[in-house]
Amino acid sequence: KAGVTQTPRYLIKTRGQQVTLSCSPISGHRSVSWYQQTPGQGLQFLFEYFSETQRNKGNFPGRFSGRQFSNSRSEMNVSTLELGDSALYLCASRKEGYGYTFGSGTRLTVV
Amino acid sequence: TQLLEQSPQFLSIQEGENLTVYCNSSSVFSSLQWYRQEPGEGPVLLVTVVTGGEVKKLKRLTFQFGDARKDSSLHITAAQPGDTGLYLCAGAGNTGTASKLTFGTGTRLQVTL
Repeated sequence: KAGVTQTPRYLIKTRGQQVTLSCSPISGHRSVSWYQQTPGQGLQFLFEYFSETQRNKGNFPGRFSGRQFSNSRSEMNVSTLELGDSALYLCASRKEGYGYTFGSGTRLTVV
Repeated sequence: TQLLEQSPQFLSIQEGENLTVYCNSSSVFSSLQWYRQEPGEGPVLLVTVVTGGEVKKLKRLTFQFGDARKDSSLHITAAQPGDTGLYLCAGAGNTGTASKLTFGTGTRLQVTL
């Protein structure tokens, strides 16, 4: 059974650029959540999508956005990148009522 | 804002020792999950506890959810080097936010031979 797949694994971007990260959930999982992990702040919730609708949102600026497609695959976008956006971005999927399965993450470095 | 404080932050022990990690909050959670994360990987779910006072055992790991559903503990018996990693507790919100996890500050465990 394939796990949660995140692409790319590593990314280096320049301040001011924008970036799109991709997440393919486990087959049958309709809920996809995104988290940001940094040494200083730990794991913080960005947003959750279910059946192509944003169901919950964390306390991040509007530069962070996401979407989910009909096949449950999800993307998140960060515009006007700042140095502080450097982090491990984790995607997690789940079937309703069950726990989350996380992907290996995308390591974003903003220079 | 819901916060989850974990203690200790760091723990370095020898193989065979026992340890307990605590996860405390002033907020009530509908459920609490424990994860272990290894370098370069995402967190892996170990257990979910739902009922206040619930105790779950997973081989050498024992998880407990506080009666008031505000705190939890993870006890490891006879730790092994394979237990090394970052342990994270995560609380799920109540109705409407059940899918939003608030993660704890993390406990980094190192078990040496």
